[in-house]
Amino acid sequence: QVQLVQSGAEVKMPGASVKLPCQAFGYSFTNFYMHWVRQAPGQGPEWLGIITPDDGSTSYSPKFQGRVLITRDRATNTVYMELDGLKSDDTAVYYCARGVPEYTGWPNFDYWGQGAQVTVSS
Amino acid sequence: DIQMIQSPSSLSANVGDRVTITCQAGQAINSYLNWYQQKSGKAPRLLIYAAVHLQAGVPSRFSATASETHFTLTINNIQPEDAAIYYCQQYDYVPFTFGPGTKVELK
Repeated sequence: QVQLVQSGAEVKMPGASVKLPCQAFGYSFTNFYMHWVRQAPGQGPEWLGIITPDDGSTSYSPKFQGRVLITRDRATNTVYMELDGLKSDDTAVYYCARGVPEYTGWPNFDYWGQGAQVTVSS
Repeated sequence: DIQMIQSPSSLSANVGDRVTITCQAGQAINSYLNWYQQKSGKAPRLLIYAAVHLQAGVPSRFSATASETHFTLTINNIQPEDAAIYYCQQYDYVPFTFGPGTKVELK
């Protein structure tokens, strides 16, 4: 069955970087997009960006452009999200979610990872 | 960014009630809208995709309607396990944006 498996919690100092993996199981990795979404405590979800695993092309939220990098490793069916220049308000749970081109009419954001807690604190 | 406005922000219902949540998009989004259910400590769960389509495995008491910018999620015969926060999300324009959520409590 489809599974997106994320890593455990991370604690980072302000100004540091974090790189989070999301490993996909149970489907053809290159046939689906992968989104990254975060959720700060008590807040709604916030979309960071997307990657097309087939060719590695990406699109990012303007809010995070220049600070976020999403990459993939086709050998291990893993997508990575790296966020630089961490601040206290980057403290959140970070999720990966499977996606499709919207014009297909297929379910988008249908499977989510379990989330990875990132805490930014001095 | 496209703003998504949800109402109400919270509601309380009796088991068996019909509950309706609305979502207003800041501009037309071609029905590229999802509805999610989220319980504490869990990832969002996709309920409805493309504005009106029930995701596989979701109970049929969940349904949705859509117009150009106005969307509704209805829960018929609400059950205790439906207590959660519900979010709408547009995925037509980058950045894909979520509504602020509607907290549904059962009396």
